[in-house]
Amino acid sequence: KAGVTQTPRYLIKTRGQQVTLSCSPISGHRSVSWYQQTPGQGLQFLFEYFSETQRNKGNFPGRFSGRQFSNSRSEMNVSTLELGDSALYLCASSQEEGARQFFGPGTRLTVL
Amino acid sequence: AQKITQTQPGMFVQEKEAVTLDCTYDTSDPSYGLFWYKQPSSGEMIFLIYQGSYDQQNATEGRYSLNFQKARKSANLVISASQLGDSAMYFCAMREGITGNAGKSTFGDGTTLTVKP
Repeated sequence: KAGVTQTPRYLIKTRGQQVTLSCSPISGHRSVSWYQQTPGQGLQFLFEYFSETQRNKGNFPGRFSGRQFSNSRSEMNVSTLELGDSALYLCASSQEEGARQFFGPGTRLTVL
Repeated sequence: AQKITQTQPGMFVQEKEAVTLDCTYDTSDPSYGLFWYKQPSSGEMIFLIYQGSYDQQNATEGRYSLNFQKARKSANLVISASQLGDSAMYFCAMREGITGNAGKSTFGDGTTLTVKP
């Protein structure tokens, strides 16, 4: 099976812009989670989608949003970008009853 | 409150020796899973090993073993016969509950392991 894929791998934006990141889970996985990784805050959970519904949400402002499509692919959107949004954004997929998450290679976002 | 604590920001080990990376956790949920991931400089998170809260035996995966002490709420990773390629950041993570929280993991701050030749 193909692994989790994320596009784009690198992105440079300026403050105030918005950005959309994409994640394609492993075939058959219905749960997709997003994490933000920064040197200062470490790895933080953003949200999880399961069967097109947001099931869990981390402590992030409303500028961060996401969605999941019927084929389980997921997108996350960040509006009105701030310098502090510069981070590695990791997507992970898992089966409902699975014990582990499979991570994608991440999207490195730089906000100037 | 911090749910996963990794007290070693950095560790050094000589090639071919064993090393233990510490992890303690906090949860009131009787059902949980504990994970270790390796993150090389490329950024991708690589799954290493998993331990379920009801598992009676310590998990092992090749050179990796998890020293699970439930009463002490610790889940230390042991890497035997270290290799230069083991140099990376290592994260301990926890998922609470069996279902419903399958997609939410809490991560520790990580330990940077450097293997010396």
